[in-house]
Amino acid sequence: DIQMTQSPSSLSASVGDRVTITCRASQSISSYLNWYQQKPGKAPMLLIHAASSLRSGVPSRFSGSGSGTDFTLTISSLQPEDFATYHCQQSYTTPLTFGPGTKVDIK
Amino acid sequence: QVQLQESGPGLVKPSQTLSLTCTVSGGSIISSVYYWLWFRQPAGKGLEWIGRVSSSGSTNYNPSFTSRLAISVDTSKNQFSLNLNSVTAADTAVYYCSAWNIVARFVDCWGHGTLVTVSS
Repeated sequence: DIQMTQSPSSLSASVGDRVTITCRASQSISSYLNWYQQKPGKAPMLLIHAASSLRSGVPSRFSGSGSGTDFTLTISSLQPEDFATYHCQQSYTTPLTFGPGTKVDIK
Repeated sequence: QVQLQESGPGLVKPSQTLSLTCTVSGGSIISSVYYWLWFRQPAGKGLEWIGRVSSSGSTNYNPSFTSRLAISVDTSKNQFSLNLNSVTAADTAVYYCSAWNIVARFVDCWGHGTLVTVSS
């Protein structure tokens, strides 16, 4: 199985801050990397697919980059509704696997 | 965009079978766009892929579950189902059904999730 790691596991930030979350795969996954946002008690929601493609309707303050084994999710200016947990997921091969999540909360 | 809704018992006894159904609305489960997937998430933990079924009935399972898992589709009811047998407390989790975009390779939509507790 491809192991996915994320750092940090949690972070505290203020509205307006620039936030960067890192995801690393245990082997190359090309650009087959998705990012999901999950709020407490809710299902995840897709933000970015194929490492850097913003899903339609997702605010442009979210961006993704990377290929191979190292990826980043950036929120350019954190908004109140962005406080959530963010998960990366590889879609290169089955079994599909996720990172453990990064919780973003209010400083 | 389709909508999905999980249904099934919220409490299952150890060693018994966990059975959930996902009802698809707003579109047909007979689709060349989607596979139909199950995930789960134990409280406070990350997401885990369980397996998937196509509208033709072909399956692909996470090897962690293969020996005790069956996922099936009922096109007449626009539903797909999960059966996980020999459950233990470690199977306690929120279970999500979802639609996987085959070409773009991402989960396009999710059910709301249903908590299943394994306890005597």
